[in-house]
Amino acid sequence: AQKITQTQPGMFVQEKEAVTLDCTYDTSDPSYGLFWYKQPSSGEMIFLIYQGSYDQQNATEGRYSLNFQKARKSANLVISASQLGDSAMYFCAMRFAGGTSYGKLTFGQGTILTVHP
Amino acid sequence: DGGITQSPKYLFRKEGQNVTLSCEQNLNHDAMYWYRQDPGQGLRLIYYSQIVNDFQKGDIAEGYSVSREKKESFPLTVTSAQKNPTAFYLCACSGTSTDTQYFGPGTRLTVL
Repeated sequence: AQKITQTQPGMFVQEKEAVTLDCTYDTSDPSYGLFWYKQPSSGEMIFLIYQGSYDQQNATEGRYSLNFQKARKSANLVISASQLGDSAMYFCAMRFAGGTSYGKLTFGQGTILTVHP
Repeated sequence: DGGITQSPKYLFRKEGQNVTLSCEQNLNHDAMYWYRQDPGQGLRLIYYSQIVNDFQKGDIAEGYSVSREKKESFPLTVTSAQKNPTAFYLCACSGTSTDTQYFGPGTRLTVL
């Protein structure tokens, strides 16, 4: 069974500094997708970045980049130049492409990021 | 304005009552999903639909029901059989089942 683990319940970062949020996963399937979502206090889940298991390069989207280490089964999110508006809960999720292939996302427990001025 | 909407934002229910949560999208996406989130937890899949008039159970379907009569609509009914329905409910959609899922703003259900 696939599993997502986020070991950092909370993280603190100073404004304008970079921060890394950890995510490890477990699957025996060679084909999968990894996602990061941001959930501010309003509750809405905001898609940030996607990495496919066969992608050769790490994904980047503006200030967000995904440090994908396939052999270690990790997919850490790096936020550069943190802003106060980055304070939120962050979820790592995996989509399993095998079996029924219905696109189910399995979520980690989340990491609360607090950005200090 | 393209997007996915959920209503109501807050919902209060007495024990023993059924309630229906609305989810509408105008993104022309085929796949739609319902997730439940409990405090401090990740999301868990309740039901999903890959196409109109078809839907499948997710990991925690007991006590819930859905319908998919129109492409743009995927309502969720929380029945009285759901033992602990107080939670935050999120609806999502994707172009196909393998595309990125985009979420609505959520409905917070409280059982009184």
